[in-house]
Amino acid sequence: NAGVMQNPRHLVRRRGQEARLRCSPMKGHSHVYWYRQLPEEGLKFMVYLQKENIIDESGMPKERFSAEFPKEGPSILRIQQVVRGDSAAYFCASSRSSGRDHEQYFGPGTRLTVT
Amino acid sequence: GNSVTQMEGPVTLSEEAFLTINCTYTATGYPSLFWYVQYPGEGLQLLLKATKADDKGSNKGFEATYRKETTSFHLEKGSVQVSDSAVYFCALSASSGANSKLTFGKGITLSVRP
Repeated sequence: NAGVMQNPRHLVRRRGQEARLRCSPMKGHSHVYWYRQLPEEGLKFMVYLQKENIIDESGMPKERFSAEFPKEGPSILRIQQVVRGDSAAYFCASSRSSGRDHEQYFGPGTRLTVT
Repeated sequence: GNSVTQMEGPVTLSEEAFLTINCTYTATGYPSLFWYVQYPGEGLQLLLKATKADDKGSNKGFEATYRKETTSFHLEKGSVQVSDSAVYFCALSASSGANSKLTFGKGITLSVRP
């Protein structure tokens, strides 16, 4: 059973471009979480999605950031008009079910660098 | 709101030394507590967890006990190995309803010398 897949692993964008990060959850998992890790910081929650629905986007900046998890295909985190402050590692996690006891499995992350 | 506080790092130990990494939390309700480990260039892996007061999570020689009275979940290992060198994150999940988003501490880097 393959783990959580993220691609690309490394992404370089110039200021003002768009960044598109992909996450394929583990087989049988329908819950996806996105987290951002800034240098020297812990991970910060961004958004929680179930298939076709955004459940909680309280950690996501209101502008330029969006996320989706379509019925078919991976979850996408999209950052429009990137700025240097968006440079970070973005991690996706998936779980089979919801609730505080259920383990989240993390992908290897996408390291975004904005030049 | 929910928060997790970890001791300042980094930590450098010699092989076979005893390890303690402190973690305290603030949360509403009854959170589940986790320790995750991150090896260089990789994602996070769950190391252990505890879901209620006085539970002890253990894995690979690591242990942590959920202490509600002191709101702590300190990580311990009796004899560290070079392969334990990594970044360790304490986290909690205090979901309301179905959302089990994690709140993380800042992480601490452990380096173990041969």
